[in-house]
Amino acid sequence: QQQVKQSPQSLIVQKGGISIINCAYENTAFDYFPWYQQFPGKGPALLIAIRPDVSEKKEGRFTISFNKSAKQFSLHIMDSQPGDSATYFCAASTNSGYALNFGKGTSLLVTP
Amino acid sequence: DGGITQSPKYLFRKEGQNVTLSCEQNLNHDAMYWYRQDPGQGLRLIYYSQIVNDFQKGDIAEGYSVSREKKESFPLTVTSAQKNPTAFYLCASSPGQGGKSYGYTFGSGTRLTVV
Repeated sequence: QQQVKQSPQSLIVQKGGISIINCAYENTAFDYFPWYQQFPGKGPALLIAIRPDVSEKKEGRFTISFNKSAKQFSLHIMDSQPGDSATYFCAASTNSGYALNFGKGTSLLVTP
Repeated sequence: DGGITQSPKYLFRKEGQNVTLSCEQNLNHDAMYWYRQDPGQGLRLIYYSQIVNDFQKGDIAEGYSVSREKKESFPLTVTSAQKNPTAFYLCASSPGQGGKSYGYTFGSGTRLTVV
């Protein structure tokens, strides 16, 4: 079963707008929540990651918001640009685990 | 530059044929992984290896086999038992040990098509 549920499946945002992608999980043992960005024909690349001891982490235009009680986390892309058009995956893992559990991905299109 | 190299980039398999996908890393990472990517399905774990000569099945291991004879290499064989092998295959590595799954690095993938 899918351990990390991601929404929406696809998203269209105008240039300069805010892109928001949401993920939810059930396993309270998860303690590492990364986001990956993937361009067509390429492997995913780590974008930003958060641990549950903080509620928000910002790197440039990308921000992760984390709600431990709701077991949800989200990626916000501020001032979205056409170059941000890609597929985004959220993921989660436990401290004792090796493998990341991925969401199904969100295809983001930023229109000029 | 350190990274993960997957080869070939494109691979065509005939029905009933076994094929092997190569994955090599020079990051000195202990752990390596194979994921399968299908449209709308996300990344599904096939096999992973924490150390040399040891590996574990992931969620969709049936029809696949792996080996880990060297730290740098983690080849994946898609056997004839895999009924729907057409997909994009991704290899990844992570530091393992204290780092475990943190800091995954992915290769550029191999696209396998059955002809």
